[in-house]
Amino acid sequence: QSVLTQPPSVSGAPGQRVTISCTGGDSNIGTPYDVHWYQQLPGAAPQLLLYAYTNTPSGVPGRFSGSKSGTSASLAITGLQVEDEGHYYCQSYDSRLRDIVFGGGTKLTVL
Amino acid sequence: QAQFVQSGAEVKKPGASVKVSCKASGDGFTRYNFYWVRQDSGQRLEWMGWINAGDGATRYSHKFQGRVAFTRDTSATTLYMELSSLTTEDTAVYYCARGFASDAFDLWGQGTVVTVSS
Repeated sequence: QSVLTQPPSVSGAPGQRVTISCTGGDSNIGTPYDVHWYQQLPGAAPQLLLYAYTNTPSGVPGRFSGSKSGTSASLAITGLQVEDEGHYYCQSYDSRLRDIVFGGGTKLTVL
Repeated sequence: QAQFVQSGAEVKKPGASVKVSCKASGDGFTRYNFYWVRQDSGQRLEWMGWINAGDGATRYSHKFQGRVAFTRDTSATTLYMELSSLTTEDTAVYYCARGFASDAFDLWGQGTVVTVSS
């Protein structure tokens, strides 16, 4: 069982907007520690999508954005494209475990 | 452009050890922390720890403490991860990754498949 909880799957049609939630607690997302998001396309290694909740590395399109509310974080993808299909993971630090922790991952399907 | 190239797939028996390498190219090797993350067959990611390539300082996840060792060769710009007392639960893809702001990982190796089977 992952410390950070994500929905197992989400789906949307091309052009639509989808959100992926990452729910934690007062020892991880509810602290000042940052949340990062990764995209893993089929057969590839994960790649950094967002860091420190809202920042995009160079090369990542502006269609990806992040936010935080209380002990949850969210990833939003607008203008969904077929090439966005894959798995998405959130990551933070847990002060109780004193470890870096990941969400269980969400599979995005573009219908 | 920095990149990592990891060693090839391994098949090990329970109780054995495995050593995975990660060759880094690009500048600034000794300026970074490098992390090891594994991904099991259920696609879950699991952080194993980090090593500072400059001074060799390490920090291991509590889950792997005592069973894992990270080392680096600065002249070869190569990282190593050795995991001992393997069980079938250690069957996974092992990744090296470079540390970025706030423990984000901005660059990943291609992964090394480790299979533990009798």
